[in-house]
Amino acid sequence: DGGITQSPKYLFRKEGQNVTLSCEQNLNHDAMYWYRQDPGQGLRLIYYSQIVNDFQKGDIAEGYSVSREKKESFPLTVTSAQKNPTAFYLCASSTGQGPTSFSYEQYFGPGTRLTVT
Amino acid sequence: SQKIEQNSEALNIQEGKTATLTCNYTNYSPAYLQWYRQDPGRGPVFLLLIRENEKEKRKERLKVTFDTTLKQSLFHITASQPADSATYLCALYPGYSTLTFGKGTMLLVSP
Repeated sequence: DGGITQSPKYLFRKEGQNVTLSCEQNLNHDAMYWYRQDPGQGLRLIYYSQIVNDFQKGDIAEGYSVSREKKESFPLTVTSAQKNPTAFYLCASSTGQGPTSFSYEQYFGPGTRLTVT
Repeated sequence: SQKIEQNSEALNIQEGKTATLTCNYTNYSPAYLQWYRQDPGRGPVFLLLIRENEKEKRKERLKVTFDTTLKQSLFHITASQPADSATYLCALYPGYSTLTFGKGTMLLVSP
């Protein structure tokens, strides 16, 4: 089956610890994205990558880091510098390269709910 | 600043009726507008995309309109069913920068 997988579904961490969220896709998409969703809020873009070995900051990149070493994988690290990390994190991918990737439909993973105490 | 507005109050309708959801935007000239469905605790699922030069798009029971003069998109579900109950998100892409999502409107279809 083609799609996007995120793991784990639920993640609990202590404050001050870094944590890495996994995102893998087998859709052969060049573009991948990370969003954060808080209750009553829209999806906010954290980072995006439109081609392997390249990524760009989104609207709320502070306290997060990413890598894109393989086309299929786009892991997100939530660092201890992120002031309010508890949220629902969504990974997505789309066809198209470069800026045009945003004009295409996005395929989302099931999400990871991160709780930091 | 650029803003996308979707009705924050849930829309309650009876099964069989047409549901109409609104997406208004300001300070935008979107080239593309997308609609997604999101169920609780799950990732959004793409439904329809409409371009700025298109007035209307249909897919089965779904219809989207795009009025760039009114700066508004309407999303219709005809013959609604309880299974259509979900939150519906609109997202705009101006042709540059990134795709921006609205906060979504919850639709509740009662039997």
